[in-house]
Amino acid sequence: ELKVEQNPLFLSMQEGKNYTIYCNYSTTSDRLYWYRQDPGKSLESLFVLLSNGAVKQEGRLMASLDTKARLSTLHITAAVHDLSATYFCAVDQNTGNQFYFGTGTSLTVIP
Amino acid sequence: KAGVTQTPRYLIKTRGQQVTLSCSPISGHRSVSWYQQTPGQGLQFLFEYFSETQRNKGNFPGRFSGRQFSNSRSEMNVSTLELGDSALYLCASSYSGGQGYTFGSGTRLTVV
Repeated sequence: ELKVEQNPLFLSMQEGKNYTIYCNYSTTSDRLYWYRQDPGKSLESLFVLLSNGAVKQEGRLMASLDTKARLSTLHITAAVHDLSATYFCAVDQNTGNQFYFGTGTSLTVIP
Repeated sequence: KAGVTQTPRYLIKTRGQQVTLSCSPISGHRSVSWYQQTPGQGLQFLFEYFSETQRNKGNFPGRFSGRQFSNSRSEMNVSTLELGDSALYLCASSYSGGQGYTFGSGTRLTVV
């Protein structure tokens, strides 16, 4: 079974700082997804990465995928309080219809 | 454009009962997936339907079942409820899978 590991599990960072969340997975896949979840809410799609070397950016967030290393990163630039949430990566085994989620990274941005 | 709609939002059931949860996907989406989210196990895949056919099933007991109707709406059923079934159940839809899924707000099930 495909395993997905995220680290760190918890991240507390000051506003204005940069940080990276890592997502490692255990078997070959070319598809990786990043989601955000606010407390008590559902999952909001952030990025869909569908090939090796894919890089996508939206505001202060940038995601990349290295399928050879089985690694995706979510980079946060100049964090602001509104980015406080739990971030999940998800991988599928190229079927496109069964996601394996990481454990989630709970991010708190401190003013 | 309406999003993925799940009903009910909250549900309290007693052990041994059964429950049915409903999911209406985004118009035009034919793939519907279900996930269970708990603090201990995280997000786990239950099953996925496409054009009324189950294409994938996760590692859950047979008490968990689902179906999809011709209008792509989906239901999942849990029979003989156990305390451990308490969770947030999320439905997600996609045109065909592969491009990512849009998730609904979820149904929070509490088993007492």
